[in-house]
Amino acid sequence: AQSVTQLGSHVSVSEGALVLLRCNYSSSVPPYLFWYVQYPNQGLQLLLKYTSAATLVKGINGFEAEFKKSETSFHLTKPSAHMSDAAEYFCAVSLGRGPDSTNAGKSTFGDGTTLTVKP
Amino acid sequence: SAVISQKPSRDICQRGTSLTIQCQVDSQVTMMFWYRQQPGQSLTLIATANQGSEATYESGFVIDKFPISRPNLTFSTLTVSNMSPEDSSIYLCSGWASTDTQYFGPGTRLTVL
Repeated sequence: AQSVTQLGSHVSVSEGALVLLRCNYSSSVPPYLFWYVQYPNQGLQLLLKYTSAATLVKGINGFEAEFKKSETSFHLTKPSAHMSDAAEYFCAVSLGRGPDSTNAGKSTFGDGTTLTVKP
Repeated sequence: SAVISQKPSRDICQRGTSLTIQCQVDSQVTMMFWYRQQPGQSLTLIATANQGSEATYESGFVIDKFPISRPNLTFSTLTVSNMSPEDSSIYLCSGWASTDTQYFGPGTRLTVL
């Protein structure tokens, strides 16, 4: 079984400030980890993923995340927030490994973090 | 990235009726899923759509309420049956791609009156 905890349902930062969105996971096997962004009235867009290669993962829009196995964390960061980053962010964990795994794609999502960027 | 399309994008339905949502994925996708996102909440997996056989449902979801078909590798439908206002949600089609990445469609926003 797996679970995801996103610490902080709402995060507010000033434009230009560091963005840090926290995600901790629980998994019985090495996981796949994802961060998605959802803008109002839109679907989910993949920001980045961890699949057991490099522990520091770079994604789109200047975001990156670091997989820390010892801390079971996968926090999302961006050095300088932009107004356009205001959105809902979801962390997700999947136990699937390889396209034939019966668990591939059965992701568990965190409750989401709403990011507000102040001018 | 994999391309996933859904239709309709939104609908308003009357209580007691049914709505069928269609999902089309491109050839990168090997597995298909249906998720639900209730208002202001996170995503919950409804079921895995299996090609040519019955879908595999997660706890709390049943075939009579959410019948799913997947007649071929790239197409699936989800029906929300005998709808009530509690079914008002965003329903998202998802695909697991051969690149070990999960993608989501734009969602179908359902309002039940």
